[in-house]
Amino acid sequence: EDQVTQSPEALRLQEGESSSLNCSYTVSGLRGLFWYRQDPGKGPEFLFTLYSAGEEKEKERLKATLTKKESFLHITAPKPEDSATYLCAVQATAGGYNKLIFGAGTRLAVHP
Amino acid sequence: GAGVSQSPRYKVTKRGQDVTLRCDPISSHATLYWYQQALGQGPEFLTYFNYEAQPDKSGLPSDRFSAERPEGSISTLTIQRTEQRDSAMYRCASSLAGQQETQYFGPGTRLLVL
Repeated sequence: EDQVTQSPEALRLQEGESSSLNCSYTVSGLRGLFWYRQDPGKGPEFLFTLYSAGEEKEKERLKATLTKKESFLHITAPKPEDSATYLCAVQATAGGYNKLIFGAGTRLAVHP
Repeated sequence: GAGVSQSPRYKVTKRGQDVTLRCDPISSHATLYWYQQALGQGPEFLTYFNYEAQPDKSGLPSDRFSAERPEGSISTLTIQRTEQRDSAMYRCASSLAGQQETQYFGPGTRLLVL
Protein backbone atom coordinates (compact mmCIF):
# COMPACT_ATOMS: atom_id res chain seq x y z
CA GLU A 1 0.00 0.00 0.00
CA ASP A 2 1.27 3.46 -0.92
CA GLN A 3 2.11 5.43 2.21
CA VAL A 4 3.61 8.76 3.27
CA THR A 5 5.04 9.37 6.76
CA GLN A 6 6.19 12.77 7.97
CA SER A 7 8.39 13.53 10.97
CA PRO A 8 8.48 15.13 13.39
CA GLU A 9 4.77 15.70 14.00
CA ALA A 10 5.57 19.08 15.51
CA LEU A 11 8.69 21.23 15.62
CA ARG A 12 9.40 24.35 17.61
CA LEU A 13 12.31 26.55 16.50
CA GLN A 14 13.79 29.83 17.55
CA GLU A 15 14.01 32.46 14.84
CA GLY A 16 17.20 31.83 12.87
CA GLU A 17 17.54 28.20 14.01
CA SER A 18 17.80 26.07 10.86
CA SER A 19 16.30 22.58 10.72
CA SER A 20 14.87 19.92 8.42
CA LEU A 21 11.53 18.20 8.05
CA ASN A 22 11.37 14.61 6.82
CA CYS A 23 8.96 12.88 4.46
CA SER A 24 9.46 9.17 3.89
CA TYR A 25 7.37 7.32 1.37
CA THR A 26 6.53 3.83 0.21
CA VAL A 27 5.04 3.70 -3.26
CA SER A 28 4.92 1.17 -6.06
CA GLY A 29 6.53 3.73 -8.35
CA LEU A 30 7.01 7.45 -7.86
CA ARG A 31 5.70 9.92 -10.44
CA GLY A 32 6.33 12.96 -8.25
CA LEU A 33 6.66 14.26 -4.71
CA PHE A 34 5.06 17.53 -3.64
CA TRP A 35 5.43 19.91 -0.71
CA TYR A 36 2.56 22.13 0.40
CA ARG A 37 2.26 24.71 3.16
CA GLN A 38 -0.99 24.98 5.13
CA ASP A 39 -1.83 27.92 7.37
CA PRO A 40 -4.49 27.54 10.07
CA GLY A 41 -8.01 27.68 8.66
CA LYS A 42 -6.80 27.67 5.06
CA GLY A 43 -6.28 25.17 2.28
CA PRO A 44 -2.83 23.83 1.39
CA GLU A 45 -0.65 26.05 -0.81
CA PHE A 46 1.70 24.47 -3.35
CA LEU A 47 5.46 24.91 -2.76
CA PHE A 48 7.53 22.40 -4.77
CA THR A 49 7.45 19.38 -7.05
CA LEU A 50 10.34 16.88 -7.19
CA TYR A 51 10.47 14.09 -9.76
CA SER A 52 13.74 12.22 -9.42
CA ALA A 53 16.32 11.29 -6.80
CA GLY A 54 18.98 13.97 -6.46
CA GLU A 55 16.67 16.77 -7.51
CA GLU A 56 16.59 19.94 -5.41
CA LYS A 57 14.26 22.96 -5.45
CA GLU A 58 14.63 26.24 -3.54
CA LYS A 59 12.31 29.07 -2.62
CA GLU A 60 13.45 31.81 -0.25
CA ARG A 61 14.42 30.06 3.03
CA LEU A 62 13.12 26.65 1.92
CA LYS A 63 14.97 23.93 0.04
CA ALA A 64 13.46 20.57 -0.85
CA THR A 65 15.55 17.51 -1.71
CA LEU A 66 14.61 14.01 -2.84
CA THR A 67 16.17 10.56 -2.47
CA LYS A 68 14.77 7.18 -3.49
CA LYS A 69 12.97 6.73 -0.17
CA GLU A 70 12.51 10.18 1.37
CA SER A 71 12.42 13.90 0.93
CA PHE A 72 13.68 16.66 3.18
CA LEU A 73 12.44 20.22 3.51
CA HIS A 74 15.31 22.29 4.83
CA ILE A 75 14.47 25.60 6.48
CA THR A 76 17.38 28.01 6.73
CA ALA A 77 17.25 30.84 9.30
CA PRO A 78 13.47 30.62 9.71
CA LYS A 79 11.29 33.57 10.59
CA PRO A 80 8.01 33.58 12.56
CA GLU A 81 6.07 33.91 9.29
CA ASP A 82 7.34 30.46 8.31
CA SER A 83 5.14 28.98 11.03
CA ALA A 84 2.63 26.64 9.38
CA THR A 85 1.91 22.96 8.77
CA TYR A 86 4.06 21.54 5.98
CA LEU A 87 2.47 18.70 4.03
CA CYS A 88 4.21 16.20 1.80
CA ALA A 89 2.32 14.29 -0.91
CA VAL A 90 3.26 11.68 -3.50
CA GLN A 91 1.84 10.72 -6.83
CA ALA A 92 2.31 7.02 -7.49
CA THR A 93 2.50 5.46 -10.95
CA ALA A 94 -0.10 2.85 -9.98
CA GLY A 95 -2.44 5.23 -8.22
CA GLY A 96 -3.63 7.23 -11.15
CA TYR A 97 -2.28 10.38 -12.67
CA ASN A 98 -4.39 12.75 -10.60
CA LYS A 99 -4.36 11.10 -7.17
CA LEU A 100 -2.13 12.61 -4.49
CA ILE A 101 -1.40 10.74 -1.25
CA PHE A 102 -0.70 13.15 1.59
CA GLY A 103 1.18 12.68 4.84
CA ALA A 104 -0.18 13.98 8.14
CA GLY A 105 2.11 17.01 8.08
CA THR A 106 4.66 18.65 10.34
CA ARG A 107 3.42 21.59 12.44
CA LEU A 108 6.22 24.15 12.56
CA ALA A 109 6.26 26.98 15.09
CA VAL A 110 9.01 29.60 14.83
CA HIS A 111 9.35 31.88 17.83
CA PRO A 112 11.07 35.30 17.89
CA GLY B 1 -13.05 33.46 -10.35
CA ALA B 2 -9.98 34.63 -8.48
CA GLY B 3 -9.69 31.45 -6.43
CA VAL B 4 -11.49 28.28 -5.46
CA SER B 5 -14.59 28.93 -3.40
CA GLN B 6 -16.65 26.52 -1.36
CA SER B 7 -20.01 26.77 0.33
CA PRO B 8 -21.19 26.54 2.94
CA ARG B 9 -18.09 27.14 5.07
CA TYR B 10 -19.70 25.37 8.01
CA LYS B 11 -22.48 22.82 8.10
CA VAL B 12 -24.04 21.24 11.16
CA THR B 13 -26.49 18.45 10.53
CA LYS B 14 -28.17 15.63 12.36
CA ARG B 15 -27.27 12.02 11.79
CA GLY B 16 -29.33 10.54 8.97
CA GLN B 17 -29.78 13.81 7.07
CA ASP B 18 -28.42 14.37 3.56
CA VAL B 19 -25.97 17.21 2.90
CA THR B 20 -24.67 18.78 -0.31
CA LEU B 21 -21.43 20.71 -0.47
CA ARG B 22 -20.54 23.01 -3.33
CA CYS B 23 -17.25 23.87 -5.02
CA ASP B 24 -16.67 26.64 -7.53
CA PRO B 25 -13.19 26.13 -9.09
CA ILE B 26 -10.92 28.63 -10.80
CA SER B 27 -12.67 29.33 -14.09
CA SER B 28 -9.88 28.17 -16.43
CA HIS B 29 -9.26 24.92 -14.54
CA ALA B 30 -10.41 21.71 -16.20
CA THR B 31 -9.60 19.40 -13.31
CA LEU B 32 -11.37 19.44 -9.95
CA TYR B 33 -10.62 17.33 -6.88
CA TRP B 34 -12.45 16.53 -3.67
CA TYR B 35 -10.58 15.67 -0.46
CA GLN B 36 -11.58 14.85 3.11
CA GLN B 37 -9.28 16.21 5.81
CA ALA B 38 -9.55 15.07 9.41
CA LEU B 39 -8.19 17.27 12.17
CA GLY B 40 -4.41 16.97 12.37
CA GLN B 41 -4.19 14.92 9.19
CA GLY B 42 -3.38 15.59 5.58
CA PRO B 43 -6.08 15.68 2.90
CA GLU B 44 -7.33 12.30 1.75
CA PHE B 45 -8.34 11.91 -1.89
CA LEU B 46 -12.01 11.23 -2.59
CA THR B 47 -12.56 11.75 -6.31
CA TYR B 48 -11.70 13.98 -9.23
CA PHE B 49 -13.18 15.32 -12.46
CA ASN B 50 -11.76 16.25 -15.84
CA TYR B 51 -14.41 18.65 -17.07
CA GLU B 52 -17.61 16.67 -16.47
CA ALA B 53 -16.00 13.23 -16.60
CA GLN B 54 -15.24 11.48 -13.31
CA PRO B 55 -12.41 9.03 -14.04
CA ASP B 56 -11.60 8.07 -10.45
CA LYS B 57 -14.05 7.58 -7.58
CA SER B 58 -11.82 5.19 -5.67
CA GLY B 59 -11.49 7.38 -2.58
CA LEU B 60 -15.21 7.73 -1.85
CA PRO B 61 -15.69 5.94 1.51
CA SER B 62 -19.07 4.39 0.70
CA ASP B 63 -21.98 4.53 -1.70
CA ARG B 64 -23.50 7.23 0.53
CA PHE B 65 -20.97 9.62 -1.02
CA SER B 66 -21.43 10.93 -4.56
CA ALA B 67 -20.13 13.84 -6.57
CA GLU B 68 -21.08 15.46 -9.82
CA ARG B 69 -19.93 18.21 -12.15
CA PRO B 70 -22.60 18.25 -14.85
CA GLU B 71 -21.39 21.23 -16.87
CA GLY B 72 -17.68 20.90 -16.20
CA SER B 73 -17.47 23.85 -13.84
CA ILE B 74 -19.22 23.87 -10.43
CA SER B 75 -19.17 20.58 -8.55
CA THR B 76 -21.23 19.21 -5.68
CA LEU B 77 -20.42 16.52 -3.15
CA THR B 78 -23.46 14.86 -1.59
CA ILE B 79 -23.42 12.69 1.50
CA GLN B 80 -26.62 10.74 2.08
CA ARG B 81 -27.77 9.48 5.47
CA THR B 82 -24.90 11.21 7.24
CA GLU B 83 -23.11 9.47 10.10
CA GLN B 84 -21.02 10.98 12.90
CA ARG B 85 -17.85 9.55 11.34
CA ASP B 86 -18.49 11.77 8.28
CA SER B 87 -17.59 14.83 10.39
CA ALA B 88 -14.50 16.38 8.81
CA MET B 89 -13.26 19.23 6.65
CA TYR B 90 -14.12 18.69 2.99
CA ARG B 91 -11.75 20.45 0.63
CA CYS B 92 -12.02 21.10 -3.06
CA ALA B 93 -9.06 21.86 -5.30
CA SER B 94 -8.65 22.63 -8.98
CA SER B 95 -5.83 22.62 -11.52
CA LEU B 96 -5.16 23.23 -15.16
CA ALA B 97 -5.47 20.12 -17.30
CA GLY B 98 -2.26 18.09 -17.10
CA GLN B 99 -0.88 20.15 -14.19
CA GLN B 100 -2.17 18.07 -11.31
CA GLU B 101 0.88 18.87 -9.20
CA THR B 102 -0.17 22.50 -8.87
CA GLN B 103 -3.53 22.18 -7.20
CA TYR B 104 -5.22 25.28 -5.80
CA PHE B 105 -7.23 24.49 -2.73
CA GLY B 106 -10.40 26.14 -1.49
CA PRO B 107 -11.06 27.15 2.12
CA GLY B 108 -13.06 23.99 2.79
CA THR B 109 -16.43 23.13 4.31
CA ARG B 110 -16.35 21.97 7.91
CA LEU B 111 -19.07 19.37 8.40
CA LEU B 112 -20.27 18.39 11.84
CA VAL B 113 -22.72 15.53 12.15
CA LEU B 114 -24.48 15.40 15.51
